[in-house]
Amino acid sequence: DAGVIQSPRHEVTEMGQEVTLRCKPISGHDYLFWYRQTMMRGLELLIYFNNNVPIDDSGMPEDRFSAKMPNASFSTLKIQPSEPRDSAVYFCASSLGAGGPRGEQFFGPGTRLTVL
Amino acid sequence: DQQVKQNSPSLSVQEGRISILNCDYTNSMFDYFLWYKKYPAEGPTFLISISSIKDKNEDGRFTVFLNKSAKHLSLHIVPSQPGDSAVYFCAASEGNDMRFGAGTRLTVKP
Repeated sequence: DAGVIQSPRHEVTEMGQEVTLRCKPISGHDYLFWYRQTMMRGLELLIYFNNNVPIDDSGMPEDRFSAKMPNASFSTLKIQPSEPRDSAVYFCASSLGAGGPRGEQFFGPGTRLTVL
Repeated sequence: DQQVKQNSPSLSVQEGRISILNCDYTNSMFDYFLWYKKYPAEGPTFLISISSIKDKNEDGRFTVFLNKSAKHLSLHIVPSQPGDSAVYFCAASEGNDMRFGAGTRLTVKP
């Protein structure tokens, strides 16, 4: 397996534009997570899915952020409209089980988002 | 509300010496703890874990210690190597809920 795949790797956009980040989890994993990494707050969980269903989106900063998982092999994180404070590295991760011994998460390489 | 805290943003050690990375947590219901390692421009990768029923887990040069009464865990790397230079994240889980610390940047000097 190629691991978790994220695209694009880098995104530079202007304030107010819509941004869509994409993720392909490892085949067979039933949990998918979206994280944001910033210098100030470290690694923050935004939302996670179990079997394509959103389970906990309490980490989503505000209504400008939305995430979908239409099938087991694809998820998107959308920001509309984007703002400069959204600039960060966004990681997608997947796992077999959400916690405990089966819960080691496999991370993608991340998308570095810069909003000007 | 940061339930998992890594109070040292950075640590520098000499090659061959011991590196000790610390992590504190507030939720006594956490029952599984993990350390992840992250190189620049890559995602974090799993390094080592420990269940709350244990107080020590060792894997080669890496040992994780858990002190449940103090709600504290630590990662020991002995001997440290330049290739260990990375950001280390501590994580703790309770069922489906996993929380990460902010990370500690370790630099191992040759």
